[in-house]
Amino acid sequence: KAGVTQTPRYLIKTRGQQVTLSCSPISGHRSVSWYQQTPGQGLQFLFEYFSETQRNKGNFPGRFSGRQFSNSRSEMNVSTLELGDSALYLCASSLTAGGAQETQYFGPGTRLLVL
Amino acid sequence: QKEVEQNSGPLSVPEGAIASLNCTYSDRGSQSFFWYRQYSGKSPELIMFIYSNGDKEDGRFTAQLNKASQYVSLLIRDSQPSDSATYLCAGQRYSTLTFGKGTMLLVSP
Repeated sequence: KAGVTQTPRYLIKTRGQQVTLSCSPISGHRSVSWYQQTPGQGLQFLFEYFSETQRNKGNFPGRFSGRQFSNSRSEMNVSTLELGDSALYLCASSLTAGGAQETQYFGPGTRLLVL
Repeated sequence: QKEVEQNSGPLSVPEGAIASLNCTYSDRGSQSFFWYRQYSGKSPELIMFIYSNGDKEDGRFTAQLNKASQYVSLLIRDSQPSDSATYLCAGQRYSTLTFGKGTMLLVSP
């Protein structure tokens, strides 16, 4: 079974631009979560989608948004990029959502550099 | 602020030794705890999870949970140089994982 895939793998943008990242979950998984990883803050939860609905959201500004499609694929968008948005963006998928012991499997990540 | 705390390390152990990685958490509502391993430049990969007090073994790995002390640990027996990585502890509440910043483990041949 194929794992979580993310595109693109690397991205360079300039301040003020916007970016869209894509994530395809493991086949059969319906929940997709997004995380931002930086050296200073570590891995931080952005948001989680299940059945095309955002179920949980982390403490990030409104410039960060996402959506999920009927085939469970998800996109996240960052508008008006800032230098501090440079990070590794990770997508994780799980079978369902909200259950204890629900394992999340991570994709390879998209490394975003904002200049 | 719900936090998961880990010593950043590095924790250095010789090949064949037992590596002990620790984590404390503040959210008593956390339902399960996960250990992920992350190699430099790669994404986190799941090692194991635990949700009941006590020990859980999986091959060379043993996870331990003490909810009264809000403490989670991971023991790696017979450590190998290939185990050198950053180990991330995460607490799960519903579908949200809260991660510690990770402990770097270095296993020397």
